[in-house]
Amino acid sequence: EVQLLESGGGLVQPGGSLRLSCAASGFTFSSYAMSWVRQAPGKGLEWVSAISGSGGSTYYADSVKGRFTISRDNSKNTLYLQMNSLRAEDTAVYYCAKDLSMVYAIRSLGFDYWGQGTLVTVSS
Amino acid sequence: QSVLTQPPSASGTPGQRVTISCSGSSSNIGSNYVYWYQQLPGTAPKLLIYRNNQRPSGVPDRFSGSKSGTSASLAISGLRSEDEADYYCAAWDDSLSGLLFGGGTKLTVL
Repeated sequence: EVQLLESGGGLVQPGGSLRLSCAASGFTFSSYAMSWVRQAPGKGLEWVSAISGSGGSTYYADSVKGRFTISRDNSKNTLYLQMNSLRAEDTAVYYCAKDLSMVYAIRSLGFDYWGQGTLVTVSS
Repeated sequence: QSVLTQPPSASGTPGQRVTISCSGSSSNIGSNYVYWYQQLPGTAPKLLIYRNNQRPSGVPDRFSGSKSGTSASLAISGLRSEDEADYYCAAWDDSLSGLLFGGGTKLTVL
């Protein structure tokens, strides 16, 4: 059974940093691209970042480029999101999500499994 | 403001057929696959349709997707109370080099 378990959320002051983790199990982690998707309170979904199975390719939404870094440790089956220079508008539930295809094609990014999400609140 | 445009709300009565539209452009829907997600209140999104019109196993055939040019649609037939949820379309955008989600459509079953 595929499981994605996020952790690391919490309250942080504007300008601060936070590192999210997503522990994956139930599938060959290194074979699939992974993404982070966020949802501000009462708002819609916003894709944040994606990383290929090998970790060699990364993509970011313009809203987080230069501030967030996605990475993965395939030996630990874990996905990460390092978030720096946090702003109030980064407040959201952050989901990690698994790409549905083992054939890596960033333009066909689709998510068949999602974690339960971890809440990040940026406030003084 | 999302580049993929969805109506903010839709509604129908049990048994009815409803459609939700998703309008984009040549750089996203016009050249890439469309995906649809269902999000029940308080839960993580669930994949409903992938690659324009494919249903994952376990998704009822009451749900169907289609795409034409720079627009896509999700159709739900035989509407049921448990279909009441938020629905999002998504597609990769070649100009932005990023994944776009529509603003979401809240479906109410009257």
